[in-house]
Amino acid sequence: GAVVSQHPSWVICKSGTSVKIECRSLDFQATTMFWYRQFPKQSLMLMATSNEGSKATYEQGVEKDKFLINHASLTLSTLTVTSAHPEDSSFYICSARDLALTAQETQYFGPGTRLLVL
Amino acid sequence: GQNIDQPTEMTATEGAIVQINCTYQTSGFNGLFWYQQHAGEAPTFLSYNVLDGLEEKGRFSSFLSRSKGYSYLLLKELQMKDSASYLCAVRDLTGRRALTFGSGTRLQVQP
Repeated sequence: GAVVSQHPSWVICKSGTSVKIECRSLDFQATTMFWYRQFPKQSLMLMATSNEGSKATYEQGVEKDKFLINHASLTLSTLTVTSAHPEDSSFYICSARDLALTAQETQYFGPGTRLLVL
Repeated sequence: GQNIDQPTEMTATEGAIVQINCTYQTSGFNGLFWYQQHAGEAPTFLSYNVLDGLEEKGRFSSFLSRSKGYSYLLLKELQMKDSASYLCAVRDLTGRRALTFGSGTRLQVQP
C-alpha cells in the first residue's frame, strides 16, 4: 500500500522556538496533503489542506501565520509551528491523497509527530 | 458543516462480534471511512462506503445507509490486537475532499 512518512517522529523544544515537520509520500504523488492535530483522547482535527504549488487552505480557528504550510513538490509538504508555546503540544499527523484516480481516493496517513513544548 | 457521533467506549470479549455505530449529519456527503488507531500511532484505513449497503473485508464489514445518515463497523472473531480506537470519518463534497472525523470509539477486547 501507499506509504507516507513524517519527520521527526518526536520533538521537544523550548517555548518560543519554531519547529518544522515534514510529510512525504514515498511511492505516489499527492497534489493534496492534509494536516491534522490530535490532543490526548480526542479525535483528529483538520488544521489545513496543503495544495502543491498554491497556498494552503486553513480551517476556521487555525492561525495561518502560526502554522506555516509549504507544499513545494508532489511528494513533500512541511508544517512549521512558529513561536511554539506549551498549548501547541500535540500529535500532528499528515495525510496524503493519491493523485491516481481511484473510487475511494483513500487518504494515507503518516506515522505522526509528537510535539512537546516546554 | 459536519456532525459525527459515535460511542465513546465499548468492551467486548475475545472471539465475539462487536458493532460500532456512527451517525452523521452533513451538508454534503462524498463517502464514509472507518479507520483503526492504536494508541500513539497514526490511523490505518479499514473500509470505505459511498453507496448504501454492506462492504465486507475479512473480519471487518462496514454498512452504510445514506438516507438515515448511519453507518456501522462490524468486527468478527475479535482478537486482543483489535483493542484500539475506531474512527468514523465523512468526506465532504468540496474540491479539497477533506475528512471530518468523529471522536472515535475506544474498543477494549477482554480475554
